[in-house]
Amino acid sequence: VQMTQSPSYLAASPGESVSISCKASKSISNNLAWYQEKPGKANKLLIHSGSTLQSGTPSRFSGSGSGTDFTLTIRSLESEDFAVYYCQQYNEYPLTFGSGTKLEIK
Amino acid sequence: QVNLLQSGAALVKPGASVKLSCKASGYTFTDYYIHWVKQSHGKSLEWIGYINPNSGYTNYNEKFKSKATLTVDKSTNTAYMELSRLTSEDSATYYCTRSDYPGIRRFAYWGQGTLVTVSS
Repeated sequence: VQMTQSPSYLAASPGESVSISCKASKSISNNLAWYQEKPGKANKLLIHSGSTLQSGTPSRFSGSGSGTDFTLTIRSLESEDFAVYYCQQYNEYPLTFGSGTKLEIK
Repeated sequence: QVNLLQSGAALVKPGASVKLSCKASGYTFTDYYIHWVKQSHGKSLEWIGYINPNSGYTNYNEKFKSKATLTVDKSTNTAYMELSRLTSEDSATYYCTRSDYPGIRRFAYWGQGTLVTVSS
């Protein structure tokens, strides 16, 4: 399953809201996860099952979608949110990731 | 708490092999598969495969079938990945990962990563 993630780069200011899209080449039901990557830190699972927040994920993060189209939304950006985000489908093998979205401070 | 501690960076020559380790702690090692993920510099993530520490059963991404070999040592709660016939394309950071629930194929726990550099 090919995962197409967009945009690859996003610049925003603290307090703003942003959305990241992830499209699967075939239906993956709701078997989609979102991860956050920050330098020097272990990758963090933010959301699974398309929209379920992993324990510890702030409520300003939300996920939506099912089938082939998914969206990660971050409301009221905080400084700690500027990072790289990846989607991953876990509906079938081989497991595949999106190409990543780098979220930078404007 | 769950911890996956990976071996240190490796500098290896083209054509050689390297064996990476991932020592698990904080949970019952045999209850969760260990997955391995590759991240080339500045690029996205690629799933390499997984091993069931209980049975030793492995499942590989077709792309890595002739490149990676996954094993475990249950006596030390350690998973290994051997990469063979290394080329510059294998230079990357490799992660071992674990799910949040047995059998679920998403990754709640990540090792710190092992940087492999292939260079003469």
